[in-house]
Amino acid sequence: GENVEQHPSTLSVQEGDSAVIKCTYSDSASNYFPWYKQELGKRPQLIIDIRSNVGEKKDQRIAVTLNKTAKHFSLHITETQPEDSAVYFCAAFTGANNLFFGTGTRLTVIP
Amino acid sequence: EAGVAQSPRYKIIEKRQSVAFWCNPISGHATLYWYQQILGQGPKLLIQFQNNGVVDDSQLPKDRFSAERLKGVDSTLKIQPAKLEDSAVYLCASSPGQPRSYNEQFFGPGTRLTVL
Repeated sequence: GENVEQHPSTLSVQEGDSAVIKCTYSDSASNYFPWYKQELGKRPQLIIDIRSNVGEKKDQRIAVTLNKTAKHFSLHITETQPEDSAVYFCAAFTGANNLFFGTGTRLTVIP
Repeated sequence: EAGVAQSPRYKIIEKRQSVAFWCNPISGHATLYWYQQILGQGPKLLIQFQNNGVVDDSQLPKDRFSAERLKGVDSTLKIQPAKLEDSAVYLCASSPGQPRSYNEQFFGPGTRLTVL
């Protein structure tokens, strides 16, 4: 089955700096890669996604890159703000039509 | 539009007791998912429904977990009997389309289960 690994597990950055979270996946048939933000005690919410026919996608301060050959994808947050503090999960939609989540990265933005 | 509703929000039970969770998906969403999220981990899919049929329940511990979506709308997830390791947040999600092409999944607020 699919195995999604996510690093780092915790990340602290100063306000205004950039944050990068990396994920790898094992199923070469995976074709869709969403990123979710989960604030403490709240539901996961989709913040950006990328399909396997695209290498990069950007939405304001958030960008995602995908390297299909290496089977890894990354989330980039620029100009971080305190409200970006949360747990971020990557996920891969596999050839078996299931969504597998990474283990999460707790991002703390220090004012 | 109204979001995915779940109840109860919190539940505390003792091991070997039974518990049931309820989910009402977004109106018109054909696909419904139940996930288990253990503290410090990502959500893990337990079961996926398309209308009232099961699409995938390969990760559901069937000796103690059961789920149904009889009329293709609301769903219930039951644990009987509960074990300590079942302590987790149980998330329900729904999506509008066919399961074989990805559609955004909208999550409910979850039910936090504590088994003592």
